[in-house]
Amino acid sequence: GAGVSQTPSNKVTEKGKYVELRCDPISGHTALYWYRQSLGQGPEFLIYFQGTGAADDSGLPNDRFFAVRPEGSVSTLKIQRTERGDSAVYLCASSSRDSNTEAFFGQGTRLTVV
Amino acid sequence: QQQVKQSPQSLIVQKGGISIINCAYENTAFDYFPWYQQFPGKGPALLIAIRPDVSEKKEGRFTISFNKSAKQFSLHIMDSQPGDSATYFCAASEYGNKLVFGAGTILRVKS
Repeated sequence: GAGVSQTPSNKVTEKGKYVELRCDPISGHTALYWYRQSLGQGPEFLIYFQGTGAADDSGLPNDRFFAVRPEGSVSTLKIQRTERGDSAVYLCASSSRDSNTEAFFGQGTRLTVV
Repeated sequence: QQQVKQSPQSLIVQKGGISIINCAYENTAFDYFPWYQQFPGKGPALLIAIRPDVSEKKEGRFTISFNKSAKQFSLHIMDSQPGDSATYFCAASEYGNKLVFGAGTILRVKS
C-alpha cells in the first residue's frame, strides 16, 4: 500500500477482554514501531521491530501487552485483560532499512475500554 | 522521565505571522531531531528534521534552529496560514531507535 495501514480504526471493548490491533507497514520497510498516544499527549514508545524480531520492547507497560511480527511485515499488538487505563490511540510507524530514522505513521487505532 | 520538554502548550498566531515552538532535551546521545504535524484523527506526519551537525535547516516556510550546547531546538513557521492549524510535536532519537516525543503544541492560526 501507499502508506501505513492500521485496523480497526476504532475499537470499543469491555474491561477484561482481549484485543488485537493490526498494522500493515509500507511495503519493504524493515523497521516497525508501536506507540501509544493518550489524549493531549505526545506518542509514547511501546516496541520496535527490526525484521521479525523485537529489537526493543522496553516501552511495553506490563505483561498484558505483547506484539508479534512473524513474517517481518504485518504486526499485531495484543492486549490481554484490558483495563480502562489502556484507552488511547495506538499508532504504528514504519521506516526503511536505509533511512530508519524517518518514520511514517499510520492513522492509529482508537481503543476505548468501557 | 520527560526527556523532551516542549513549549508552549498552545499558540495563537495571526495569519501571515511567525509561529515559534521550542523544545529542550536532556539526553546528549540524541542525534536526530524531527518535527511532526498532526491533524485531528490522523497520525503524525514528518514535517522537517535536523541532525546536530548543522545549526539550521529550512524547507519552504518551515525552519528548524538547533543549539547543541544549550540542548535546545525550535520550529519556526513563517507566513503562518490557517491550514497550518494543527498539533506539532518535537521528537528526538538516537540513530535507528525509538522516538521520544514532546507533549505537543496546539497551533491555531487566525485568519
